[in-house]
Order: sequence, then C-alpha cells, then structure tokens
Amino acid sequence: QVQLQESGPGLVKPSETLSLTCTVSGDSMSSYYWSWIRQAPGKGLEWIGYIDNNGGTNYNPSLKSRVTITPDTSKNQFSLNLRSATAADTAVYYCVRWVTTVRNNWFAPWGQGTQVTVSA
Amino acid sequence: EIMLTQSPATLSLSPGQRATLSCRASQTVGRNYLSWYQQKPGQAPSLLIYGASTRATGIPARFSGSVSGTDFTLTISSLQPEDFAVYFCHQDQDLLTFGGGTKVEIK
Repeated sequence: QVQLQESGPGLVKPSETLSLTCTVSGDSMSSYYWSWIRQAPGKGLEWIGYIDNNGGTNYNPSLKSRVTITPDTSKNQFSLNLRSATAADTAVYYCVRWVTTVRNNWFAPWGQGTQVTVSA
Repeated sequence: EIMLTQSPATLSLSPGQRATLSCRASQTVGRNYLSWYQQKPGQAPSLLIYGASTRATGIPARFSGSVSGTDFTLTISSLQPEDFAVYFCHQDQDLLTFGGGTKVEIK
C-alpha cells in the first residue's frame, strides 16, 4: 500500500524559502507523477505543481516564478521549494500521487499534510 | 484557467436524506477530466469519484456522479453519519484547479 509522508519546518520566516520533503513508501516514484497541493486556513485546495516520472515538471502559473519541485529517486523522495515566502503561503501542505491513465487522472493517495506557518 | 464553482457552500441535512452537490465549470470540461474528493475534519482529502462518475475503490454505491453540459453533480443517496464532510470537485483538462468546496453538515 502506497503511503506518503511530508516533513519539514513548521515555521518559516517571511522572505525565506519554504522547503518540504515527501517520502514515498510502498511504490516506486518512477511509475507515477507526484504533486504538491496546499490548503490555507479555512480555504479550499490549491494545486502547486507536479513532477512526472521523467523528471519533468508542471507548475501552477500563479506560483511558477517561486516554485521548484525536485526528485531524489535514490531515497524515493521529492521536495518542494517555495522561495520568498509570505504570510499568504501559510497553509497545510499535502504531497499526493497523481495517477494518470489513458482515460482518467486522479490524486490518490494523499499524505497526512503538514502545517507550515510563515511568520517572523 | 478553468474555474469551478461549487454550490451550495453549505448543505444542512439529516442522516438518511439525499444530498445533491453541484460543480459548475466556467467552460466545457470533458467528463474524463472531473473528479470529486471528500475531506473529513482534520484529515487529508481522499478520492471519491473520477471520470465524473466512476467510484474509486471502496467507495459505497450511495455516492454517484453525473454531468450535464458544464454542470457536474455529486449525489449521496442516503446520508450516513460518516458522510458529513467537505466535498471538492477538481478538473485537470486545463491545468489543475479545484472548486471552493461544499460542506455537508448535520441539520
């Protein structure tokens, strides 16, 4: 059974880089795409970006200038870097497997999520 | 960017009642590109339906999805206590966007 676990600092200072890592267990990263999604307090879901099984990336245009998602296949991990963080980046961050098939795509499973607060 | 508008924002119902949740797209979205997720309090979202109407593994038959034009609907035929949660629709036809969510609460 595939499981995902986010890790990283829960508190980031404004203007610094928000960095998170997702560890994948029970599956090889080479078989799927892998994504980051966030949820601000009391708000809906916002897709941040994904990395595909060839190392290619696709980012939300609203965040593209500040986001990098990178893989570490030797550790079965992928990471999120969000530069120049502001209070608006305060959210629960989820790492998620993005399943793509010929007909349909979907997000499953999801990590449990990690709260990141941007504050001095 | 395709916007998804969910309505109502909150649905207050009693166990056993039927819930009808709407997700309207700002432009045409093919049925293959629409999915639904359930989020219980304090938990991560989980997949309910993909391809507009195909239930994910383990999802009970009381959950169903349908589409008419740009309007997608999630129906819960008879609400169970564990169904009170927030539901999000999602499209991946053009980039990836989510609706704002519908909260189904106990009346």
